[in-house]
Amino acid sequence: KAGVTQTPRYLIKTRGQQVTLSCSPISGHRSVSWYQQTPGQGLQFLFEYFSETQRNKGNFPGRFSGRQFSNSRSEMNVSTLELGDSALYLCASSSRTGGYSANTEAFFGQGTRLTVV
Amino acid sequence: SQQGEEDPQALSIQEGENATMNCSYKTSINNLQWYRQNSGRGLVHLILIRSNEREKHSGRLRVTLDTSKKSSSLLITASRAADTASYFCATGSGGSNYKLTFGKGTLLTVNP
Repeated sequence: KAGVTQTPRYLIKTRGQQVTLSCSPISGHRSVSWYQQTPGQGLQFLFEYFSETQRNKGNFPGRFSGRQFSNSRSEMNVSTLELGDSALYLCASSSRTGGYSANTEAFFGQGTRLTVV
Repeated sequence: SQQGEEDPQALSIQEGENATMNCSYKTSINNLQWYRQNSGRGLVHLILIRSNEREKHSGRLRVTLDTSKKSSSLLITASRAADTASYFCATGSGGSNYKLTFGKGTLLTVNP
């Protein structure tokens, strides 16, 4: 089985621009979560999508948004980029379906490293 | 906010030695998962332990969980230079708002 695929691997953007990152989960997985990793804040939860619906959202401003398609592929978008948005963005795929099936592993992709200049 | 806190922040050992990393957390959990990360790349899943389990093994890895103390430990036996990486614990909790909450990680250096 192919793993979680994130594209692109690297991005350089200018302040004020917007960016879209893509994540293809493991085949059969319908839950996709996004995390931001920075040296200062560590790994922080952005949001989770399941069956094209946002199921949970972290404490990030509205500039951060996402969506999920019928094939479970997910995209996240950051608008009006700020220097502080420079980070490694990681996508996780899971076979988790609901709260009662919480004990499933989350598998991560290689990440997209975003640099805002 | 970070739920898991790893200890120590950095650990340097010689090849062949055992490495032990600890993780503490604050709230009740469904499970705790350990991950490895090499040089800012993706996270590699190592092991998941459920809240009703006390110990799990996978190859050279041994994980323990003490829910009364809200702590977990990861033991890597007979370490190799290739084990050099950052190790993170992540607690899974939240029911319908389930998410993983990560600690800041332990940087393990295994010297050949």
